Amino acid sequence: QVQLQQSGPGLAKPSQTLSLTCAISGDSVSSNTAAWTWIRQSPSRGLEWLGKTYYRSKWYTDYALSVKSRITISPDPSKNQFSLQLDSVTPEDTAVYYCVREASAARPFDYWGQGTLVTVSS
Amino acid sequence: DIQMTQSPSTLSASVGDRVTLTCRASQYISSWLAWYQQKPGKAPKLLIYKASTLESGVPSRFSGSGSGTEFTLTISSLQPDDFATYYCQQYNSYRTFGQGTKVEVK
Repeated sequence: QVQLQQSGPGLAKPSQTLSLTCAISGDSVSSNTAAWTWIRQSPSRGLEWLGKTYYRSKWYTDYALSVKSRITISPDPSKNQFSLQLDSVTPEDTAVYYCVREASAARPFDYWGQGTLVTVSS
Repeated sequence: DIQMTQSPSTLSASVGDRVTLTCRASQYISSWLAWYQQKPGKAPKLLIYKASTLESGVPSRFSGSGSGTEFTLTISSLQPDDFATYYCQQYNSYRTFGQGTKVEVK
């Protein structure tokens, strides 16, 4: 059974960096079939895919165009986890953030973390 | 970006009803479509992928159909546990979600 455990602060100040980590159990961040994803949800923007990291003989990342200039998703194989950094946050980045496994190219988001409400406020 | 449009936004129904939810893509996505169920305070749950493949453990009263740009999720006989919000999501190019359909008690 795959489990994803999120950690990180629930508050970020405007213009600073939002950082979250997702620890994986029951699978590997270095899987050759899965991708490791961050998705957020807010009343104003709905469910929004932010990006993913995945390993296919080497590491790749894909990012949503809406955040591409501000986002970094990084794998940490030594700890079997991956992380999200979102720079220069504004109140518009206030949302529940989820880490999610995309099982394969054919089967999307099957396991989700518990979600972290991140509020951007001074 | 591919836009996903769901209708209706809210659907009022009773236990035992057959309900159909619709999702339209702004461009061709073949069968790269998934459906999720979300309850308040919880993460979305995968119900169907590749337009019509039922996720393991999901009751058979849920079914999906469609291809190209038009898709439907049908619940054959609505159960009390099915009152929730349902989202479609395309994975043909990047990943985008619809805005959701809330199924509420009539």
